[in-house]
Amino acid sequence: AQTVTQSQPEMSVQEAETVTLSCTYDTSESDYYLFWYKQPPSRQMILVIRQEAYKQQNATENRFSVNFQKAAKSFSLKISDSQLGDAAMYFCAYRGAPTSGTYKYIFGTGTRLKVLA
Amino acid sequence: DAGVIQSPRHEVTEMGQEVTLRCKPISGHNSLFWYRQTMMRGLELLIYFNNNVPIDDSGMPEDRFSAKMPNASFSTLKIQPSEPRDSAVYFCASSLNSYNEQFFGPGTRLTVL
Repeated sequence: AQTVTQSQPEMSVQEAETVTLSCTYDTSESDYYLFWYKQPPSRQMILVIRQEAYKQQNATENRFSVNFQKAAKSFSLKISDSQLGDAAMYFCAYRGAPTSGTYKYIFGTGTRLKVLA
Repeated sequence: DAGVIQSPRHEVTEMGQEVTLRCKPISGHNSLFWYRQTMMRGLELLIYFNNNVPIDDSGMPEDRFSAKMPNASFSTLKIQPSEPRDSAVYFCASSLNSYNEQFFGPGTRLTVL
């Protein structure tokens, strides 16, 4: 069974600085998708970024980028130029590829990010 | 697009009462998911619908929980009778099909006294 591990329950970053959130996963599948979701105090789960395992290029979305290391089964999220609005709970999620017949997301336990002014 | 809509946003009820949570998925999305989020267990998938048909309800905790999707634009999650351990945030999410990314609603915070 697939698992997702976020080993940092909480992280802090100074405004305008860069922070990296860690995520590791375990799977025997070769094709899958990885996601980072943000959950601010409003509770809304917001998709931040996604990565297809077959793509070697790391996904980027403005200030958000990932470091995808397939062999190491690592999927970290880098937030550059941190802003106060980035303060939230961040969840890493795994989902198998359609060919696997898997539609379920496997979520990590989350990392709470605090942004210090 | 209005996104996934859930109601109510907050619900406080007493043990034994019936609770109904509502969800309107994004128009055109064929898949709908109900999740429960608690501190102890994180995010758990309760049930998944595809084209209004329940495909996987293995996450539904017990018979007190039931979910329906009478049409493509509406789903309900019902708890009868409710218990204090049902207190959680319940999310509805939809996706274009089973394998696209899921878009979440704002959640319903349920408190059972």
